[in-house]
Amino acid sequence: DSGVTQTPKHLITATGQRVTLRCSPRSGDLSVYWYQQSLDQGLQFLIQYYNGEERAKGNILERFSAQQFPDLHSELNLSSLELGDSALYFCASSRQGGASPLHFGNGTRLTVT
Amino acid sequence: DAKTTQPPSMDCAEGRAANLPCNHSTISGNEYVYWYRQIHSQGPQYIIHGLKNNETNEMASLIITEDRKSSTLILPHATLRDTAVYYCIAPLTGTASKLTFGTGTRLQVTL
Repeated sequence: DSGVTQTPKHLITATGQRVTLRCSPRSGDLSVYWYQQSLDQGLQFLIQYYNGEERAKGNILERFSAQQFPDLHSELNLSSLELGDSALYFCASSRQGGASPLHFGNGTRLTVT
Repeated sequence: DAKTTQPPSMDCAEGRAANLPCNHSTISGNEYVYWYRQIHSQGPQYIIHGLKNNETNEMASLIITEDRKSSTLILPHATLRDTAVYYCIAPLTGTASKLTFGTGTRLQVTL
């Protein structure tokens, strides 16, 4: 158990809809990261937050947004969903940036129909 | 990130040591080498990381060559539960956040 909690585990929704994925980092970790893993692609970095502030951005679509709250949990919002957004979404956390390793949750499997 | 090269797949008998190689010949002096694994569709699991010296923890050992151009992850007594895809990553210094996961090595542990 990595200590990173993601909810929900599974999500099925229709095209055009909006969903929110939630992540609780390990106790004491200030950084939260979001990754997407599609069937035909590897793990893709989306975005990082550190202590409530956006720290780094990857290949995140404009339809997607995230935030980190004062209690350090994070939410990833996906809107105007398309079939191609179906994927596993992983959250990870670390003590701080730099060399600290990331610890991943078990993901949310999103299916867009 | 330094480009890393791993064999696409390896087999290992249960109880034997699994030695997973990684080539990172373009690594710079300050880039750490990280190893993660992903079992089926679970979240990637951090295994170990190192800079210059060999490292060991409860899961594995990491051997880094003196010139730092390659490394080997060693699982001393592989079990069936070690069957997974193993990723070797060498992100730019200070960018451990933007880990770039390649295709990794699919390790199959067999009876």
